[in-house]
Amino acid sequence: QVQLVESGGGLVRPGGSLRLSCAASKFTFSDYYMSWIRQAPGKGLEWVSYISGSSTYTKYADSVKGRFTISRDNFRSSLYLRMNSLRAEDTAVYYCARARSGSFFGSFYFDYWGQGALVTVSS
Amino acid sequence: QSALTQPASLSGSPGQSITISCTGTTNDVGGYNCVSWYQQHPGKAPKLMIYDVTKRPTGLSNRFSGSKSGNTASLTISGLQPEDEADYYCSSYTTNSPVVFGGGTKLTVL
Repeated sequence: QVQLVESGGGLVRPGGSLRLSCAASKFTFSDYYMSWIRQAPGKGLEWVSYISGSSTYTKYADSVKGRFTISRDNFRSSLYLRMNSLRAEDTAVYYCARARSGSFFGSFYFDYWGQGALVTVSS
Repeated sequence: QSALTQPASLSGSPGQSITISCTGTTNDVGGYNCVSWYQQHPGKAPKLMIYDVTKRPTGLSNRFSGSKSGNTASLTISGLQPEDEADYYCSSYTTNSPVVFGGGTKLTVL
């Protein structure tokens, strides 16, 4: 069964940085797009970013563009999210998810999710 | 404010059928057959229930079905069971973003 395990969450001050990791197993990691999706406490889901299998393509939500960087290491079957200039509104559980291509080019759905990593931005 | 509109809450009794709606525009739900649905139990990760409007992942109960009419997509759960009590989120491709989620619907099984 596909496994995705996030790590690296924690408490960080506004303006600070953090790097999340997601360890993948039980599937050929390099064959898939991967994504980060977040959920603020008591709120809904928000897509954050995706990266193609070879790292050629990346895309970000407007809310994090220029501050967050997604990357991956296919040798280690790991996905990363580097978060800089963190704000209080970035406080959320961050999920790593495997992305599948939908029926329209450029569309995605998420068939496997990790358990999430909590990031709290507070002074 | 979410780009896709869902009812905040719905309730039903065991054995009943319920339908959760997800309303967008021609720039998202109405323009593309790229709607997916996720179920989330409290404290757990979301789970894919439907993708590409009507398709079910392998092994998922056929009590769950998806459809679309115009700018509104729907998730129907038939034969409601207590374990179906959860939050449900729709998602769609949009002309401005590869993924946008609805605000979520809290389903209560009475």
